[in-house]
Amino acid sequence: DGGITQSPKYLFRKEGQNVTLSCEQNLNHDAMYWYRQDPGQGLRLIYYSQIVNDFQKGDIAEGYSVSREKKESFPLTVTSAQKNPTAFYLCASSIRHGTSGRNEQFFGPGTRLTVL
Amino acid sequence: KNQVEQSPQSLIILEGKNCTLQCNYTVSPFSNLRWYKQDTGRGPVSLTIMTFSENTKSNGRYTATLDADTKQSSLHITASQLSDSASYICVVSGGSNSGYALNFGKGTSLLVTP
Repeated sequence: DGGITQSPKYLFRKEGQNVTLSCEQNLNHDAMYWYRQDPGQGLRLIYYSQIVNDFQKGDIAEGYSVSREKKESFPLTVTSAQKNPTAFYLCASSIRHGTSGRNEQFFGPGTRLTVL
Repeated sequence: KNQVEQSPQSLIILEGKNCTLQCNYTVSPFSNLRWYKQDTGRGPVSLTIMTFSENTKSNGRYTATLDADTKQSSLHITASQLSDSASYICVVSGGSNSGYALNFGKGTSLLVTP
């Protein structure tokens, strides 16, 4: 999966609990992204980070939070404020963000989160 | 409104047969178009990328075409194999004014049967 790891692969949580999804990359990429994938829908951008200590909201950031303290790590926290958190979460990285449309995003294997 | 529409939504073909997947987009201005393959429960993997000046790109048995005038792209799979069973996602990158924002189609789910 292109040097990007996500853990765990499957995650279960009870309603009202926060949970953190891990994403690590060893590609030396500056930009990292979090997407949510639901059945029958295209990928939707939650947050992205262009560089360490910087991150921007995507299209569906409500109920999520992120941090980028290290270049290789971009964890996503799904908070209790996210009303429908059950989904497949994908992390991606690219060399740069927005400097060229040809910059490929490499995706991790994904984490499937289920709220019980 | 989704600016990238893919068809068909799902497709079943026999092993060894060819198939063509379609992608129509309204993204403008347009920077490039990628096709990704996503195996079930896995992350997408890039198959091809085309800019507006390229009208065809091949990657093994996969051939993508692009008509930037009509804003249509297709992905042709030749001599399908069981391992081609996956979801195929069309992704269109906007221009610099959008920060090269990515617009994802909903994907076509392909099942290749013996």
